[in-house]
Amino acid sequence: QVQLVQSGAEVKKPGASVKVSCKASGYTFTGYYIHWLRQVPGQGPEWMGLINPGSGSTTYKHKFRGRVTMTSDTSTSTTYMEVSSLRSEDTAFYYCAREEVTSIGWYAFDVWGQGTIVTVSP
Amino acid sequence: EIVLTQSPGTLSLSPGERATLSCRASQSVSDNYLAWYQQKPGQAPRLLIYDASNRATGIPDRFGGSGSGADFTLTISRLEPEDFAVYYCQQYGSSPRTFGQGTKVEIK
Repeated sequence: QVQLVQSGAEVKKPGASVKVSCKASGYTFTGYYIHWLRQVPGQGPEWMGLINPGSGSTTYKHKFRGRVTMTSDTSTSTTYMEVSSLRSEDTAFYYCAREEVTSIGWYAFDVWGQGTIVTVSP
Repeated sequence: EIVLTQSPGTLSLSPGERATLSCRASQSVSDNYLAWYQQKPGQAPRLLIYDASNRATGIPDRFGGSGSGADFTLTISRLEPEDFAVYYCQQYGSSPRTFGQGTKVEIK
């Protein structure tokens, strides 16, 4: 079945980096963008950016440019998101989600990963 | 950036009752690219409605979306026990994609 499976929980110190993975299965990997979002408990999700797994092209939310890097590996159908210079405010659940690639419009996120909790603590 | 404001913050209702959730955008949402998601504790959001009024695959017909421009509504015609959760609206017509702060539907 169609699914996105993320890597496990991470605990990091301020200033460190974290890399979260998102492995796709059950569909054509290059036919869907992968978006990354984060969510602090009690708040709505925040969109961080997206990657086109086929071309490798990325778009980042302005506030994350220079600190977030998204990559993809078509041989393993896996997308990665790395956040550097971590601070306590980066403590959140991180999700990947897919959106169909099309030239005629935009789509909602129909499949989500299970989430990865990243805790930043001294 | 389009800001989405959801109301009310919390809706206290009984099973079988009708729920009406509102999502108001700070500017018109392009092509009515507005989605609704349901989130339960410890789970990822689940897509319910896309393009303002289309139900996603497998979503029961008690869930309905309506609205256009900057004003959107999610209606649950008769609440089932499994519908008590947090609901988010999201616009995907312009970048950055943005979400509302959520409406919690709780058991009265």
